[in-house]
Amino acid sequence: EAGVAQSPRYKIIEKRQSVAFWCNPISGHATLYWYQQILGQGPKLLIQFQNNGVVDDSQLPKDRFSAERLKGVDSTLKIQPAKLEDSAVYLCASSSSRGGFSKNIQYFGAGTRLSVL
Amino acid sequence: AQTVTQSQPEMSVQEAETVTLSCTYDTSESDYYLFWYKQPPSRQMILVIRQEAYKQQNATENRFSVNFQKAAKSFSLKISDSQLGDAAMYFCAYPGAGSYQLTFGKGTKLSVIP
Repeated sequence: EAGVAQSPRYKIIEKRQSVAFWCNPISGHATLYWYQQILGQGPKLLIQFQNNGVVDDSQLPKDRFSAERLKGVDSTLKIQPAKLEDSAVYLCASSSSRGGFSKNIQYFGAGTRLSVL
Repeated sequence: AQTVTQSQPEMSVQEAETVTLSCTYDTSESDYYLFWYKQPPSRQMILVIRQEAYKQQNATENRFSVNFQKAAKSFSLKISDSQLGDAAMYFCAYPGAGSYQLTFGKGTKLSVIP
């Protein structure tokens, strides 16, 4: 079974530029999550999708971050314009969501390391 | 707000020895799960073990086991017979009931000394 795929692995941009990350979840997983992991910290949820609808985006900086999940499969996370403090690893995860959200194991991709100069 | 606290930023263990990583959390729920994830330098978060709060028996997965103290809200991870491949960041995580997101601790960096 293929895992969660993310691309690119690394991205270096200058501040005020835009950047996009792509995620393909495990086949059949209805729930998709985007996390931001700043160096030295644990991941923090940015947005959660159930199929192609947003479940929770309360911690997404909506003035510069946007995310979509068309057709309930792949997802893209965009930052425009980027700031220095956006330098982090962006992790995508998916879960099957059966039996209640809190019980389901989240499977993670390898993440994208973003450096904003 | 849910909080997860890992009080050991770094730990080291000799190869083949046993090490315990600590985690405490705050919740008012009675039924929930707790997770330990491992993050090697490749950055991919890998599930190590999970514990169901309503089960009194501590979870075990091969060399990994937990010491779950529900009343104390403590969830420590014990790694037995440590191997070089165990070197990584370890994160404790709690998905509160009614809140779908995982709340992670700040992590413990484990080094394994040959």
